Amino acid sequence: GAGVSQSPRYKVAKRGQDVALRCDPISGHVSLFWYQQALGQGPEFLTYFQNEAQLDKSGLPSDRFFAERPEGSVSTLKIQRTQQEDSAVYLCASSRTESNQPQHFGDGTRLSIL
Amino acid sequence: DAKTTQPNSMESNEEEPVHLPCNHSTISGTDYIHWYRQLPSQGPEYVIHGLTSNVNNRMASLAIAEDRKSSTLILHRATLRDAAVYYCILRDFNSGYALNFGKGTSLLVTP
Repeated sequence: GAGVSQSPRYKVAKRGQDVALRCDPISGHVSLFWYQQALGQGPEFLTYFQNEAQLDKSGLPSDRFFAERPEGSVSTLKIQRTQQEDSAVYLCASSRTESNQPQHFGDGTRLSIL
Repeated sequence: DAKTTQPNSMESNEEEPVHLPCNHSTISGTDYIHWYRQLPSQGPEYVIHGLTSNVNNRMASLAIAEDRKSSTLILHRATLRDAAVYYCILRDFNSGYALNFGKGTSLLVTP
């Protein structure tokens, strides 16, 4: 079935480069979430969209991180001027609504900053 | 957000039941108890959730203490495929949307 799809699966970038990570949520899902998972840790919330509106971006670590979902479907997480501490797995999840519906996760993008 | 406490790791034999505990002594009346698991190199996967009554689905059972300060995820017959990190998460019905994962319990299943 069509689950949440993330691309690329792996991304290697040099420090200082900009990267863009893509998320294709399940069709019709209103809510979309981004999480960051450091090695050996649980995922941590970054930002939340309801349709095209970004309702919460409190988890974004710095102003180098930017997310968008312009048409309420596909979302892109952009990181500018990457730093080594940005190395992590970036997970995207979607759900039908925000209220206690299960979140469906993609398998993430593993980002390595050299 | 109210916090949960889980053991760092547990071990089980294949085909035996597994009881994964979770303490949440500061749970509020509007907090649902959610369980997710994460297999190696995959994103988290929803397992089950409940409010007050015990819940069953095809994957697992959730037993919730009467005072709701603890809960137990029950896998009735562990398989090697159940080896994963299991996260117990409280999610407020009225305002919660982000999942606060914590570190979870790493379950090892041995043949």
